[in-house]
Amino acid sequence: DGGITQSPKYLFRKEGQNVTLSCEQNLNHDAMYWYRQDPGQGLRLIYYSQIVNDFQKGDIAEGYSVSREKKESFPLTVTSAQKNPTAFYLCASSPAGLAGNEQFFGPGTRLTVL
Amino acid sequence: GENVEQHPSTLSVQEGDSAVIKCTYSDSASNYFPWYKQELGKRPQLIIDIRSNVGEKKDQRIAVTLNKTAKHFSLHITETQPEDSAVYFCAAPMDTGRRALTFGSGTRLQVQP
Repeated sequence: DGGITQSPKYLFRKEGQNVTLSCEQNLNHDAMYWYRQDPGQGLRLIYYSQIVNDFQKGDIAEGYSVSREKKESFPLTVTSAQKNPTAFYLCASSPAGLAGNEQFFGPGTRLTVL
Repeated sequence: GENVEQHPSTLSVQEGDSAVIKCTYSDSASNYFPWYKQELGKRPQLIIDIRSNVGEKKDQRIAVTLNKTAKHFSLHITETQPEDSAVYFCAAPMDTGRRALTFGSGTRLQVQP
């Protein structure tokens, strides 16, 4: 379980505000991912990054932005353009090579829009 | 891209019985199929995975089978225990050669004592 941290655990946002969710890993993994999970549903990919300074949109990137300036860090910004941001956000990472498909998840951030 | 469908959405079994969850995928080139377990309010955790060069893999009470011809894979849990109660997700690579995963919609397993 260790190695990937997310903060904060709970986050409340007023409509119209941008918020940034933190994700840090000390596993020396190349790839990092952000997923959104709504109640009773699966995980949907927002953005992913396979290497520093590079990232790609997932299935639901609209209203979100990311950066990957360091290997250890992959912050997610939820912008005011995201119409329904209340959800559970999960960050994950995976190593390079043949084991690169195995993803390790952080504990999640629960975002609520007031 | 890959499309993964998972069934059933909910499953209730008596303690000691077996549970089977099935997923189908669309991309015949997919080569990696993990299963994750997520307890309420917690992070998903990998419980077993299989690569396309084998048809079955076991780890104690858990097994995964893969049918490449039919493009489906299944999770089998034997001798279920109350602590097996959780949501289980299957997944497959989003695109050939990429490490991002497409997840199924999840199965809520309830093991009745």
